[in-house]
Amino acid sequence: AQSVAQPEDQVNVAEGNPLTVKCTYSVSGNPYLFWYVQYPNRGLQFLLKYITGDNLVKGSYGFEAEFNKSQTSFHLKKPSALVSDSALYFCAVRDMGRNTPLVFGKGTRLSVIA
Amino acid sequence: GAGVSQTPSNKVTEKGKYVELRCDPISGHTALYWYRQSLGQGPEFLIYFQGTGAADDSGLPNDRFFAVRPEGSVSTLKIQRTERGDSAVYLCASSPETGNTGELFFGEGSRLTVL
Repeated sequence: AQSVAQPEDQVNVAEGNPLTVKCTYSVSGNPYLFWYVQYPNRGLQFLLKYITGDNLVKGSYGFEAEFNKSQTSFHLKKPSALVSDSALYFCAVRDMGRNTPLVFGKGTRLSVIA
Repeated sequence: GAGVSQTPSNKVTEKGKYVELRCDPISGHTALYWYRQSLGQGPEFLIYFQGTGAADDSGLPNDRFFAVRPEGSVSTLKIQRTERGDSAVYLCASSPETGNTGELFFGEGSRLTVL
C-alpha cells in the first residue's frame, strides 16, 4: 500500500531564510510524487511533481523539491521564504506501475514570520 | 467556469438526514475524484470516475456513501442517514489525463456539518 509521512505538523521560519518541508513515502514500485499547497479557505493548488528524470524538480512560486530514492524522500524547499508562503502543504504519492489514487500526507503548516 | 466548482460550499444537517454534494469539473476533464478532509488530516480518497463509470470506489467508507456521474461531467456525492462522524470537507478534483502522471485540480470543497 502507498503511504506518505510528513513528520512535522508545523514549520516556522523567518522571512528571507531558506525553508524545508519534509516528506517521506512508501510505495511497492516506483513513485510519482506531488506537492500541493492549501491557503485558508481555498482549494488545494498544485505546486510541483516528480515523474521521471532530474531528481531536482522546480515548481510554482520559486519552490523546488528533491527526489531521493535511497532515502525515499521528496522534501520541499525554497531558498528565501516569503510571508505569503504561509499555508498548509501536502505531499502526495502514486505508485507508477498501478492505477491507484493519489495518497496524501496529513500536511505541514508553514508559518513565515516577518 | 475556469475551475472546479463545488456546491454547496457549506451544508449543515441533522443526524439521519440525506445529503447531496455536487461537483462541476473543468470542462473536458475526463477524470473526476472525490476526497474527504477531516480537521488536521490530509485528503482521504473516496472514489474516482473515468468518464461515467466509477473506476475505483475502494475509498467509500460504507454503503451510506454513493456517487454518480451520469453524463461524464457533473458528479454528485450522496450520503444517506448522515452521522456526526461524516462531518468533514468534501473535496472534488478533476484531471485531463487518463494516466496517473497528471496533477489534480481541486475545488474549494463542501464543508458538511452533521449535528
